[in-house]
Order: sequence, then C-alpha cells, then structure tokens
Amino acid sequence: AQKITQTQPGMFVQEKEAVTLDCTYDTSDPSYGLFWYKQPSSGEMIFLIYQGSYDQQNATEGRYSLNFQKARKSANLVISASQLGDSAMYFCAMREVSSNTGKLIFGQGTTLQVKP
Amino acid sequence: NAGVTQTPKFQVLKTGQSMTLQCAQDMNHEYMSWYRQDPGMGLRLIHYSVGAGITDQGEVPNGYNVSRSTTEDFPLRLLSAAPSQTSVYFCASSYSKAAGDSNQPQHFGDGTRLSIL
Repeated sequence: AQKITQTQPGMFVQEKEAVTLDCTYDTSDPSYGLFWYKQPSSGEMIFLIYQGSYDQQNATEGRYSLNFQKARKSANLVISASQLGDSAMYFCAMREVSSNTGKLIFGQGTTLQVKP
Repeated sequence: NAGVTQTPKFQVLKTGQSMTLQCAQDMNHEYMSWYRQDPGMGLRLIHYSVGAGITDQGEVPNGYNVSRSTTEDFPLRLLSAAPSQTSVYFCASSYSKAAGDSNQPQHFGDGTRLSIL
C-alpha cells in the first residue's frame, strides 16, 4: 500500500496567486514527521518545510505553509504569492520513528508550473 | 556553505564496471544515507549510516556497498554495474543521532546522474 499519495501529477497556477499541493499519508506509527521538498529542473532536492505528528500548530516557512489535518491524514503544502521560480517538482515525504532506519518515504511528486 | 557535496555529477559506465560515488558533508551530521530516484518510483533508500563505523541496508541495497570511516564521508560503491542501476543517486544527511528521529530534515546533495550502457 502506498504510504504517501500525491494525487496531482501536474498543476498550473498564475503568478502571484496561491496554490495548494495535496498530500495524504498512511501510517500506524503515532510518531512521524512530514516533509516537503522542491526539485527544480536542475535536479537538486531542496528542503522546504517540516511538520511533526505531535505539533499542534501548522508549520510555516515564509511563503510556504503546511495545512496539517491529522485525522484526515493529510499534509497539504500551500504556496502563497506564487513566483516564476516556484516552477518545479514538489515531493511530500514521511519519516516514521518506528522504522528505525531514518528512511524518508516519498510520494510520486507534483509538477507545478507558474504562469506569468 | 558547502552542505552535502556529491561527485561526480555525471557518469557513464559500461556493464560490469565498478565505481564509487563520493559524498561528503561538512555539517557534522551523524546520519547519512543514499537514495536512488527513478521515473515514476520516487526516491528509494539504498543504504544508511547513523555514525562512523555503522552502516545498514535500506530498501534496495543489492549491488551496492557502503562504508563510513569518518563522520564526513559516505561513499557508495557499485560493484559490477548493471543497466538496472541507471538512475539519479542522491546522498543526504541529517543531525539525527538515532535513525528513528522523525523531526530532522535530511539535506540532499545535488545528485549524480549515472548511466550504465
């Protein structure tokens, strides 16, 4: 069973508008971390934002925020005021404490294109 | 501000050749790992290490060896390259002293694009 699901293979957004990238996850571990990474066309993986399973508040980092709905097992990334440089592939990932390997479980990714 | 450095960035090998992908980090991170990224399959964990002298297998370890003689370096060795190992390889590190720490983001290198002919 896929543990991280990103249902949007591709998304378009107009520059300066906000966009939400969906992520749902599946785990029985009560302790886990959720991460979002950005992969531009140049290929590097850039860490954006982290949410812990016990965090009471949604994480925010500049224009990025994470809409964490624990009961629904969703961790959507919200990018406000989109910029052309936001065009990239975005990956949602999870790290379970119980796995004891430190493994990040990645979703398939969402390609975001920002239109001028 | 080097972070995680991977070399080489690109490599073409013939089937049966061996090579070592280098990874070095200057953040004094305890945890280091190797992933491969294949189209439609996301990133998968190959091997990981929670500190110098300690390594363990990840999800797809066959055909790869690792060692961790220092905190900074975590090389990945392909023993006898096969076309199925054509992929993009990422090295990552985080501060975690325990592999189970869930709250430490992993910082990735820029990747090595490897083609096996």
